[in-house]
Amino acid sequence: EAQVTQNPRYLITVTGKKLTVTCSQNMNHEYMSWYRQDPGLGLRQIYYSMNVEVTDKGDVPEGYKVSRKEKRNFPLILESPSPNQTSLYFCASSLTGTGNQPQHFGDGTRLSIL
Amino acid sequence: QKEVEQDPGPLSVPEGAIVSLNCTYSNSAFQYFMWYRQYSRKGPELLMYTYSSGNKEDGRFTAQVDKSSKYISLFIRDSQPSDSATYLCAMKYSGAGSYQLTFGKGTKLSVIP
Repeated sequence: EAQVTQNPRYLITVTGKKLTVTCSQNMNHEYMSWYRQDPGLGLRQIYYSMNVEVTDKGDVPEGYKVSRKEKRNFPLILESPSPNQTSLYFCASSLTGTGNQPQHFGDGTRLSIL
Repeated sequence: QKEVEQDPGPLSVPEGAIVSLNCTYSNSAFQYFMWYRQYSRKGPELLMYTYSSGNKEDGRFTAQVDKSSKYISLFIRDSQPSDSATYLCAMKYSGAGSYQLTFGKGTKLSVIP
């Protein structure tokens, strides 16, 4: 089954404790992306990756890091999480990322930073 | 002015009603238009996409784009309780910048049996 898998689905942690949210896709997609979704603000892009080892900032990259060493994986790293990063996070992928290629989303990771 | 405006609702309709969901946008460089459906505790799933003005139909769903007015719509005919979800419009540029998807804030729809 074609899918985007995120782990963990839920995480409660404390300020300053480094964490990684993993994302993996099994569709051989070149493009992958991370979003956060907040009430009243909608979905906002954090980082995206056009292909292996090429990444670029989205609209809200501050406080986040990503890496893309393999085509299928695109982890999101919070080096020193803060309460304002409490949010619902989604990973997405698409074949190329350009034009009308649709993006496929994972089921989300709910992060709470205390 | 936000790039993409979408009424958050909530919108509540009786089963069988025709639903109209709308987004307006300010940047004429948007060329690709999509509608996503998001159920509670799930990720958005693509419903419809189009890149030209006019209508595109898929079953009970019709997507409409009016580039001259910078206005897009999603119509749901014979609405069902299973259509209860949040609907997100999304848009992309062509050419440079086409890697980024800009979303509306979503409209929460409830279809009452």
